[in-house]
Order: sequence, then structure tokens, then C-alpha cells
Amino acid sequence: DGGITQSPKYLFRKEGQNVTLSCEQNLNHDAMYWYRQDPGQGLRLIYYSQIVNDFQKGDIAEGYSVSREKKESFPLTVTSAQKNPTAFYLCASSFVAGETQYFGPGTRLLVL
Amino acid sequence: AQSVTQLGSHVSVSEGALVLLRCNYSSSVPPYLFWYVQYPNQGLQLLLKYTSAATLVKGINGFEAEFKKSETSFHLTKPSAHMSDAAEYFCAVRPSGGSYIPTFGRGTSLIVHP
Repeated sequence: DGGITQSPKYLFRKEGQNVTLSCEQNLNHDAMYWYRQDPGQGLRLIYYSQIVNDFQKGDIAEGYSVSREKKESFPLTVTSAQKNPTAFYLCASSFVAGETQYFGPGTRLLVL
Repeated sequence: AQSVTQLGSHVSVSEGALVLLRCNYSSSVPPYLFWYVQYPNQGLQLLLKYTSAATLVKGINGFEAEFKKSETSFHLTKPSAHMSDAAEYFCAVRPSGGSYIPTFGRGTSLIVHP
């Protein structure tokens, strides 16, 4: 079955540590996105990629980094520069940018 | 820049009652509009979308939404609420140009009472 997966489901970060969230899709979609979700704030765009080897900053990119070396994969690294990383992180993909988005199940990041 | 406003962070209805979730957008050109639903601790899934065809759009689970250009609105309705409709609902607007990246509203939590 085609779909989009995220791992792990829960992730714990120690202070000063970088952590990487995985996002994989087998839908043959060109566009992929990372969102951060905090209670009452909706979805805020961190980074997006419209094609392999290209990505753009979203509204809240500071303290995060991404790569898009393969069409299927769009990992997100939460760096130590992100001072308030506790949130629910959602990855999504779409056939092309702006079309219907398909979301993964999310990763909840907690700080120890 | 595109923006979308969802009026009411929480909406509470009784089972069997009408559901109305409000969404207004800002755009000088009719955009694409989406409604997504999110169940607890899950990702979002598409309910329905408007792409400048019919103004009344039917979606899954008995939901529908009407695009009203004069009111810049795209409200979501369902005639009779079911307990399983309890979830978070997000309206999103895709601009007509530029990067085409959608902007999401802050979400409305639908509470259904027995």
C-alpha cells in the first residue's frame, strides 16, 4: 500500500543534542513538507521541498535543517539551536506543490 | 500573503445536531481551499477541496462545504453530528501563484455530546 511513514513515534532529546526525524513516502510525490503543531497554533511550516535536491525555508525554519537527496525521503533535524523543540511534528507529501497533501502519523518530540 | 481564519477554537454540538465550522480566507483571486480532519495523535486527512469547479463541494463522512466568493468563506457543514466526528478540523488555502504552498488555519476542535 502506498503511504507516508514517520519514525519514531516518540523521540526524546537531551539539551544540546541534535535529533533527526524520519519521513518516507512511496507515493511518487515530488513535493514534501514538514510542519510543527503546537496546541492552539495550528500547523506551522518549517521546510518544504518541491523537487529532489531542492528545499525552501518555511515560516519557522530557525533551529531546523533538512535534506532531500532522494525523492522518497525528507528527514528533519532538530538542532540544539532550537530552544523550544517540544511539539508534534508532521510530515506531508503531495503530487506537486499545492495539491492535496497526504500526512504521516506524526512524531512527538519531548525534551528530557 | 494568503491567510485563513477559523472562527472558534472549539465548537460543541449534540449528537444528531447540525455541524457548522467556519473558515474565511483572504485572497483577491479565488484560491484552492481544503478542509482536513485530524483525530487525536494522528496525521491529517483530506475531507474535501474546492478547485474552482462547483461551489458546493461534497466530501467524505457526510461533510460538505460551500465556496462563497462574496463572503470569502468556505464553511464546513454536516447535517447530523455523530460521536465519531469528534476531532480537530483544519481549513487551508492554497495561493493562486507563487510557491502554491498552502496556509493552514489554527484549527477548530469539534466536541460531540451524546
